[in-house]
Amino acid sequence: SYELTQPPSVSVSPGQTARITCSGDALPKQYAYWYQQKPGQAPVLVIYKDSERPSGIPERFSGSSSGTTVTLTISGVQAEDEADYYCQSADSSGTYTVFGGGTKLTVL
Amino acid sequence: QVQLQESGPGLVKPSQTLSLTCTVSGGSISSGSYYWSWIRQPAGKGLEWIGRIYTSGSTNYNPSLKSRVTISVDTSKNQFSLKLSSVTAADTAVYYCARVGREGYFDYWGQGTLVTVSS
Repeated sequence: SYELTQPPSVSVSPGQTARITCSGDALPKQYAYWYQQKPGQAPVLVIYKDSERPSGIPERFSGSSSGTTVTLTISGVQAEDEADYYCQSADSSGTYTVFGGGTKLTVL
Repeated sequence: QVQLQESGPGLVKPSQTLSLTCTVSGGSISSGSYYWSWIRQPAGKGLEWIGRIYTSGSTNYNPSLKSRVTISVDTSKNQFSLKLSSVTAADTAVYYCARVGREGYFDYWGQGTLVTVSS
C-alpha cells in the first residue's frame, strides 16, 4: 500500500527555521496538505495544495514541492508551534487518502 | 458554520462491531460535492484514514481495513456512520469524522471520540 514518509522528530530553537519533509512516490501527481495537531485537539490545516496557506495561518508557515518530496517550512519558529505535523495526500489514482506518520516538532 | 459530532459507544468488546455516527449541522450532508470521512488515531500514534463516502453514496476504504469497514449515509438525519467489524485491541483509538472540501483537504473535523476495545 502507498505510504508517505516523514521524520519522526525535528527540533529547533525559537526564531530558527524548521523544515519537515514528506516523501512519497505519487507526490509529483497528487497535492499534499499539512496539518498541525496539538495534544487533545483535532488537526488543523496549515498548508493546502503543496504551498497554499489558509486564511488565519501565520505567514511563517510555507510549503514547497520538489519531485517526490514536499516540505513544510516554519520560519521564525515560536514556542506555540510545538506540535505534531502530518502530511496528507493520495495514491496515484486519487482513490485512497494517506497520512504521513507524523513529525513531532520540539521548540528547544 | 459546519459542525461535526461523533457519537457511539466508548467501549466495545473484542470480536464485536464498532459503530459510530457523525451528525452534521450547519449544512446539508447531501448538498455540494463533498466526501465525508472517518479517521482514527491510536493513543500516541499517527492519523490513519479509514474511508470516505461521497454525497452520491459511493465509498472508498483503506485497503488495510476494507474487509471490516462499512461507511453509510443517512441524508434524512444528516448523518453518516462507520461500522468496523471483528474489532481487536488494535482498534482502540480516537475516531474522528471529517469533511473533505472542494480543495481536497479535511476542512471540518469532529472533536473525536475515544473507543476502547476491551472485555
